[in-house]
Order: sequence, then structure tokens, then C-alpha cells
Amino acid sequence: GENVEQHPSTLSVQEGDSAVIKCTYSDSASNYFPWYKQELGKRPQLIIDIRSNVGEKKDQRIAVTLNKTAKHFSLHITETQPEDSAVYFCAANAGYSTLTFGKGTMLLVSP
Amino acid sequence: DAGITQSPRHKVTETGTPVTLRCHQTENHRYMYWYRQDPGHGLRLIHYSYGVKDTDKGEVSDGYSVSRSKTEDFLLTLESATSSQTSVYFCAISEVAGGLGNEQFFGPGTRLTVL
Repeated sequence: GENVEQHPSTLSVQEGDSAVIKCTYSDSASNYFPWYKQELGKRPQLIIDIRSNVGEKKDQRIAVTLNKTAKHFSLHITETQPEDSAVYFCAANAGYSTLTFGKGTMLLVSP
Repeated sequence: DAGITQSPRHKVTETGTPVTLRCHQTENHRYMYWYRQDPGHGLRLIHYSYGVKDTDKGEVSDGYSVSRSKTEDFLLTLESATSSQTSVYFCAISEVAGGLGNEQFFGPGTRLTVL
């Protein structure tokens, strides 16, 4: 089955800096890669996703890049703000019906 | 938030007792999922359903069973709870198959403690 590795497990940045979270996947057939944000005590929520026919996607301060050859994808957050502090999860589709999630990255943005 | 509720939201039980968690949706989505979330492990799929009475196993299905008799309800049962099943359980729904690139919407979660 699909295996998703996520790094780093924790990331501390200063407000205004950029943050990058990286994920690798094992199944070359995977073609959908979402990112979820989970604030403390809350449910995970989708923030951005990318399909394998696209190399990069942006949404305001958030961007995701995909390298199919290397089987890795990354989340980039620019101009970080304290409200970006949360746990971020990457995922890859494991066949038709399901997603496999990474173990998460705790991002702390200090004022 | 999508119309998803989970009950109970918190439960403390003893080892060996049966426990049933309920996920209820008002979105008429076909796919429903049960995940468990543990520190250092992220979200792991327990079971999922692709229609009424149609279910399949996920990555960590041992010790769990599910049932879906109506589109809106997906039940997760721990037949005999163990301390290793202490976790936060999330239900999720999606309109089409989660692997096809359709957003999964998560419920608020149930915190289960097995003593």
C-alpha cells in the first residue's frame, strides 16, 4: 500500500518568515495530494491540494509543489502569521477510495 | 463546517466493555470514513464505507467493526475495548471517492479513554 513520510515533525519560525514542509510517497500510481491544517482541539480542514498533472499550485500565501519523478511534494507558506500555528498533514491517495496521511508537522509561528 | 456530527464527543470506559461511536451526516455524501488520531501517528484509516451496507477495511482495522444501514449514519464498534484503543476518533465524509481528489470533510471528533 501507499506510504507517506512527512518532515519535519516540528517547525518553529518567526512571524514573517517562510515555512516549508516536505512529504514523500511510495506509490507511483498516486495522483492526488491534499494538505490539511488542524488547529489545537479542532478537526482537520483542507487548505490546498494538487493533482499529478500539475507541478505547482498557489492560493494566496500558500503553495504546493509536486515532483512526480522524485515522488515528493511540499507545502510552502510565505509571510507566516501566528494564526498559521497548527499541525499540518500531507496525504496521498491510496487507490480509488482512500487517502494515506503523513504523521503531521507542528508549525509554531512566534510573534 | 459540513453537516457532520459525532456522538458521544467524550467517553471513558473500562477494558473489555463494548463501545459504539456514531457518525451522522446531513450532506447525503456517499463515502464515509473512520480514522483514529494518536500522537506521532497522524490520521490512520480504520474502516470506510462506499455505500449503504458496503464497507471495507483500512490500515488499522483489527479490533473494530463498522455498520452502515442508512446513508447518513456510520457506526464504529469496539467489541471489547482495550487500552490501546484510547484515541481521538474522527469521522469523515466525501461526495465521491476520497482517492479521486474530492475533499474529505471531518467531523468534530470523539475522545475515547479506555481504562
